[in-house]
Amino acid sequence: GAGVSQSPSNKVTEKGKDVELRCDPISGHTALYWYRQSLGQGLEFLIYFQGNSAPDKSGLPSDRFSAERTGGSVSTLTIQRTQQEDSAVYLCASSRKPGQGSYGYTFGSGTRLTVV
Amino acid sequence: AQTVTQSQPEMSVQEAETVTLSCTYDTSESDYYLFWYKQPPSRQMILVIRQEAYKQQNATENRFSVNFQKAAKSFSLKISDSQLGDAAMYFCAGSGGATNKLIFGTGTLLAVQP
Repeated sequence: GAGVSQSPSNKVTEKGKDVELRCDPISGHTALYWYRQSLGQGLEFLIYFQGNSAPDKSGLPSDRFSAERTGGSVSTLTIQRTQQEDSAVYLCASSRKPGQGSYGYTFGSGTRLTVV
Repeated sequence: AQTVTQSQPEMSVQEAETVTLSCTYDTSESDYYLFWYKQPPSRQMILVIRQEAYKQQNATENRFSVNFQKAAKSFSLKISDSQLGDAAMYFCAGSGGATNKLIFGTGTLLAVQP
């Protein structure tokens, strides 16, 4: 597609439930990143995928968070047993392969997750 | 490791005036890039301007320009002829290394007064 698509746009879930957030990157972008933006804060790196390489999971805050990327395209971020502190906007971004000139990322509009 | 610091949580400017947003960074990478992103209430992160660290010339994009001081590790954004549509949160960010992941500052909320 023309841009990075994220779904759902908004999600309200009960504490303790699992949620899945989806990201559909720009076609041909091999790098995909997930970020978390808590209220009034900057963006916190969560995880990075590049092609078939092992993902960089160094930013995942706990083992309740996981992500996968199928076929080098769509990615799903899963949060198990959600807690209130997980409430945030989750942003996905894609870019060309690092090293081919850094043109910055293209971001999706994010998923606003509210845990009640 | 990289860090990006924005020391101005909020700024205000009169329409048609000029404003400068500050950013400092620290990195161990020799090859890196610096960015300014704009985030309006729609949440969409919009690339405003980028600077390659190996270039000495400051990047410009229409009314937006940067003052890149490599030795001082400073990367400020100047917005000239401010418009009401410039009101947004502005994030400074840096990338580099194998993963090229962006590290963000905490942002500056810019208000434009008519």
